[in-house]
Amino acid sequence: SQTIHQWPATLVQPVGSPLSLECTVEGTSNPNLYWYRQAAGRGLQLLFYSVGIGQISSEVPQNLSASRPQDRQFILSSKKLLLSDSGFYLCAWRRRSGGSGGGETQYFGPGTRLLVL
Amino acid sequence: QKEVEQNSGPLSVPEGAIASLNCTYSDRGSQSFFWYRQYSGKSPELIMFIYSNGDKEDGRFTAQLNKASQYVSLLIRDSQPSDSATYLCAVTAFGAGSYQLTFGKGTKLSVIP
Repeated sequence: SQTIHQWPATLVQPVGSPLSLECTVEGTSNPNLYWYRQAAGRGLQLLFYSVGIGQISSEVPQNLSASRPQDRQFILSSKKLLLSDSGFYLCAWRRRSGGSGGGETQYFGPGTRLLVL
Repeated sequence: QKEVEQNSGPLSVPEGAIASLNCTYSDRGSQSFFWYRQYSGKSPELIMFIYSNGDKEDGRFTAQLNKASQYVSLLIRDSQPSDSATYLCAVTAFGAGSYQLTFGKGTKLSVIP
């Protein structure tokens, strides 16, 4: 069975500090990987997705970046955090070969709660 | 811009009643539709998906899809206090080389014992 891990679970960082969140998936190969942010009172916002190693697509302009150094590893980074970066960060995966009819199902990791002070 | 709309609630129902959650979407190219449940402080977990018009049943849950009206709903029969959570509707369409999910903001359900 497939498992998705995220760490850390919670993080409190000062404004202007760097950030690195990690996501790893077990039990599958060549997954599509996604980073979402869920801010208080707002919906899930897609930040980045990746269809393969080194392939990153950004959905919104921001001070965040993502990298995929290995097939099942996805990293979210920032050089300088802003107060507005606070939120619940979720990593998700999907089978690469999934077509329509449910094959696009995304499965979420446990999330990282980030508070920027 | 693709939009998914849900009533934010809270929707309160008594234990044992039927809870009805509704969702509308703007993109006629949407192909599959998902319902996720999110407990407070936790990540979303998939309840079920539907991609054909009509009803799909899974235990106490029934998803209903009407593509002509761009409407999808989730019925929860015999609601239990453990069903109290936020329910997220998501729709998918293929674009830019990958399927993307667009989420609604969720409906908060409270089942009263």
